[in-house]
This record gives sequence, C-alpha cells and structure tokens, in this order.
Amino acid sequence: QTVVTQEPSMTVSPGGTVTLTCASSTGAVTSGYYAHWFQQKPGQTPRTLIYSTSNTHSWTPARFSGSLLGGKAALTLSGVQPEDEAEYYCLLYCGGSWVFGGGTKLTVL
Amino acid sequence: QVQLQQWGAGLLKPSETLSLTCAVYGGSLSDSYWSWIRQPPEKGLEWIGDINHSGFTNYNPSLKSRVTISVDTSNNQFSLKLTSVIAADTAVYYCVKNFDSWGQGTLVTVSS
Repeated sequence: QTVVTQEPSMTVSPGGTVTLTCASSTGAVTSGYYAHWFQQKPGQTPRTLIYSTSNTHSWTPARFSGSLLGGKAALTLSGVQPEDEAEYYCLLYCGGSWVFGGGTKLTVL
Repeated sequence: QVQLQQWGAGLLKPSETLSLTCAVYGGSLSDSYWSWIRQPPEKGLEWIGDINHSGFTNYNPSLKSRVTISVDTSNNQFSLKLTSVIAADTAVYYCVKNFDSWGQGTLVTVSS
C-alpha cells in the first residue's frame, strides 16, 4: 500500500512563513492525487483547510495556501499566528483509495 | 451547512462487531460521498472507506475484509460495520462528508 510521508515536526516564528510537504511513495504527487490538508488541535476534530491541491473553503484563513512543489503536495502558511500551532495532516488519493500522511506537528515559537 | 451526528457502542470485546451510525442534517445523502475515518489514541488519521450517493463503496485495502459501509436514504443516515475487532481497532471514529464536514467522533475501545 502507498505510504504518504510528511515532516514529523516543524517550528516557525510568529509572523513567519512555513511550508509543509506531503510525498507519495509511488512517485510525484500530481493534481490527480486530489491532495487535502487538515488541521487538528489537541482534543478537537480535524478541520479541512485545503482540497484538491489548492482549493480553500470559506472558513480557511487567507494565510493558508496549497500547491504542488517539487513533486510533493505543499501547504504554505504565510504570516503564521500563534493559533496555527497544531497537527497538520495531508490526504492523497492513491491508486483508488485515500491515504493519510503521518502528520506534521507545527510549533509556533 | 451540513451537520453530522454519530452514535454507537463505545466498548467492545475482541471478536465483536463495531457498529456506528451517522445521521445527516441539513443535507441529503443523494449527493456527495460519505466516509468513515478513525484515529487511534495519540496517533494519526486513517481512512476506513466511503460510499457515494449511488451506493458505490470504496474501502481501505487493509480493512476491506472486515468493513461494510451502507446508507439508509429513508432516514438520511449512513453506517459503518467492522467485524472481528481487536485491540488495535481502538480509536475515535469519525463520519465525514466530502472530507469537509465531520461528525463529533465516537471513541470505541476494544478490551476484554
């Protein structure tokens, strides 16, 4: 089964910019993987930020954006806020089924 | 916006069948696709499977032999059954619409 890999942890300063990535063991991630990104804070239900690589929901803060970068799906946070500290999960459509990445714990420090 | 409310037994013994139901409010099962996702304690998310408005199902290959997802259009609900549960099935189970609307989650513990 496909393995989806994310950075286990990243640290960013308030106001800074950080890019989280999501790689597939099968090769380059393309638009056909329909990458989704979710934010989960401790004790809370996950919240969807990005769908189909780069599309945002009405509730997605403007500082969040999705893209493809170097063969991976990417989530960029520009102008990071303290409340962005959370676990971030990507989800890819791989070979007919959906596979989550292991998550990136983002620390804002 | 669609709201999902889920329920089911929270404590099971090994070999029993997990059964969860999710009611859809403010939307119809006749559009979109409806998923179940789980999260073991202190671990990441795992997609279990989904069903679309036509009743077509798609399951995680690692769980496929034990999983059934079904819809009850008359009650605007969809359900998850997972047979022969083991301790490793202990998790919070979420029902989800299109990956954008999530139920509140149900903690299911498998213990003898």
